[in-house]
Amino acid sequence: SQTIHQWPATLVQPVGSPLSLECTVEGTSNPNLYWYRQAAGRGLQLLFYSVGIGQISSEVPQNLSASRPQDRQFILSSKKLLLSDSGFYLCAWTHRGNRNTGELFFGEGSRLTVL
Amino acid sequence: AQSVSQHNHHVILSEAASLELGCNYSYGGTVNLFWYVQYPGQHLQLLLKYFSGDPLVKGIKGFEAEFIKSKFSFNLRKPSVQWSDTAEYFCAVNAPGSGGYQKVTFGTGTKLQVIP
Repeated sequence: SQTIHQWPATLVQPVGSPLSLECTVEGTSNPNLYWYRQAAGRGLQLLFYSVGIGQISSEVPQNLSASRPQDRQFILSSKKLLLSDSGFYLCAWTHRGNRNTGELFFGEGSRLTVL
Repeated sequence: AQSVSQHNHHVILSEAASLELGCNYSYGGTVNLFWYVQYPGQHLQLLLKYFSGDPLVKGIKGFEAEFIKSKFSFNLRKPSVQWSDTAEYFCAVNAPGSGGYQKVTFGTGTKLQVIP
């Protein structure tokens, strides 16, 4: 069966420090990968998605970046964190091609607090 | 661009009360519709989904949703809620994109609190 893991689960970082959140998927190949940010009362905002290794699309301009160095690995990064980057970040995946129905499978989430 | 509206932000019910959470979407083409649930301290998980066929779909834990195309709605219902249904519920719609990408848009969520 497929599983998705992201880490760390919680992170407290000072303003201006770098960030790296990692997400890996197991049990499937060639998934579409996504990073969302969940804010109270605002639902889930799509930050990045990837349809393949090295292919990253950004939905909103921001201080963050994403990379996909391997087929089942998705990384969310920042060189210098801002206070506004605080939030709950979710990694997700979907099947590709004919198996893709749009159903998302979410990781456990990473709560980032920038002080 | 597609969008999703959930009009109830916070709902408080007593156990055994009936539940209906509203969800409306805007998109002119064929869509797939979803309800996700996030229980306290847990990750988001799928509650139910509609792709095609019978517009009344049944999900886990006694939930159901009805797709009404003319109203662009996909309301979630449960005849009798339990304390364990306390959670946040998200409606989502996806439309096919290019290159194998499915754009999924979420509503702002509804927090349900069930009082024993």
